[in-house]
Amino acid sequence: AQSVTQLGSHVSVSEGALVLLRCNYSSSVPPYLFWYVQYPNQGLQLLLKYTTGATLVKGINGFEAEFKKSETSFHLTKPSAHMSDAAEYFCAVSDGRGGYNKLIFGAGTRLAVHP
Amino acid sequence: DAGVIQSPRHEVTEMGQEVTLRCKPISGHDYLFWYRQTMMRGLELLIYFNNNVPIDDSGMPEDRFSAKMPNASFSTLKIQPSEPRDSAVYFCASTEMGKGHKNTEAFFGQGTRLTVV
Repeated sequence: AQSVTQLGSHVSVSEGALVLLRCNYSSSVPPYLFWYVQYPNQGLQLLLKYTTGATLVKGINGFEAEFKKSETSFHLTKPSAHMSDAAEYFCAVSDGRGGYNKLIFGAGTRLAVHP
Repeated sequence: DAGVIQSPRHEVTEMGQEVTLRCKPISGHDYLFWYRQTMMRGLELLIYFNNNVPIDDSGMPEDRFSAKMPNASFSTLKIQPSEPRDSAVYFCASTEMGKGHKNTEAFFGQGTRLTVV
């Protein structure tokens, strides 16, 4: 079975500060990993994903994440927070072996950015 | 493409009434999902379809919930009768099987906010 744990339901940073949102996963098979962002009253939008290959993946809006198999982590970072980054962020995992397997989402982390 | 389209965006209904939520997936996508989002339970997968056929409905909370996909461009999620605890945001998402028959990302609609009073 697969699962996702997002550490910290709320994270608050100053504008210009580093953003770090933590995600740990559990999977007995090679995982595919995703970060989605949800703005107020909107659906989820893909930020970035890891499937195979390079473990450091870059996404939209300056975000990136690194897949660390030894730590079963896929933390999301951005060097400098912008006010527009305030949103809720979801980490998700699926079975990467082939054939369709459903996405399992974490509980989400709400990011607040203050001046 | 206009993306995944859901209607209505907001629905307020009285307990006991039937509610129907609608979804139009992205053209060419062969998987469609219905999710429910609440503060208490987060994002839950209710059911998903592949090529219009329901594959896994284990997330459907009870018999009051039903979903159909009569063709590749339309799906409905029905609650009958509705109860206050069904109040949530319901998302539809679609995706396609990528190269090597592996997952690609899911594209989400903007959701339907359901309030049952």
